[in-house]
Amino acid sequence: AQSVSQHNHHVILSEAASLELGCNYSYGGTVNLFWYVQYPGQHLQLLLKYFSGDPLVKGIKGFEAEFIKSKFSFNLRKPSVQWSDTAEYFCAVNARTGFQKLVFGTGTRLLVSP
Amino acid sequence: DVKVTQSSRYLVKRTGEKVFLECVQDMDHENMFWYRQDPGLGLRLIYFSYDVKMKEKGDIPEGYSVSREKKERFSLILESASTNQTSMYLCASSLFAGGKTEAFFGQGTRLTVV
Repeated sequence: AQSVSQHNHHVILSEAASLELGCNYSYGGTVNLFWYVQYPGQHLQLLLKYFSGDPLVKGIKGFEAEFIKSKFSFNLRKPSVQWSDTAEYFCAVNARTGFQKLVFGTGTRLLVSP
Repeated sequence: DVKVTQSSRYLVKRTGEKVFLECVQDMDHENMFWYRQDPGLGLRLIYFSYDVKMKEKGDIPEGYSVSREKKERFSLILESASTNQTSMYLCASSLFAGGKTEAFFGQGTRLTVV
């Protein structure tokens, strides 16, 4: 069964600082990878996704993530955060074959101070 | 736009009551999921369904059951509510396409068991 680890539970940054959130997954087969974001009071929404091809994927609002297969990692990055990026970020994975059980990490709360 | 609708935003129930949480999606998605979201624990999968009348246990199915009689509707049932089931419950749906699609989430139901 797949599992996801997010090592940073809380991150506090000032505006314009760079962001990197770690995500590692555990699964023996091929996976699809996702980052979701939950802004305060809102429902979860997709930030970006990786299925295959270029391991560097770009998402909405200037976010990007890099899939490193050898490290089972899919870290989220943004060069310069804004106050509006304050949210909770979740990494998720599902298996390419069989049941498409979507498994999430424990999330990272990001607070960006103006 | 895909819409996932959960029947209630807030519920307060008494210990021992049977509780039904309803979820409806309007995009003909095959997969539907129920998660609970707790601070510091992220989203934990309770049950998912990949077709009408088909269901699979997630990571924390104890104390819960589900029903999917129609493709668009997925119900979560707490047979005998307990205080440790106080949580935010999230429903999601996705296409059955090798997992290569995003999941769309409802707004959540905050359940308090007293």
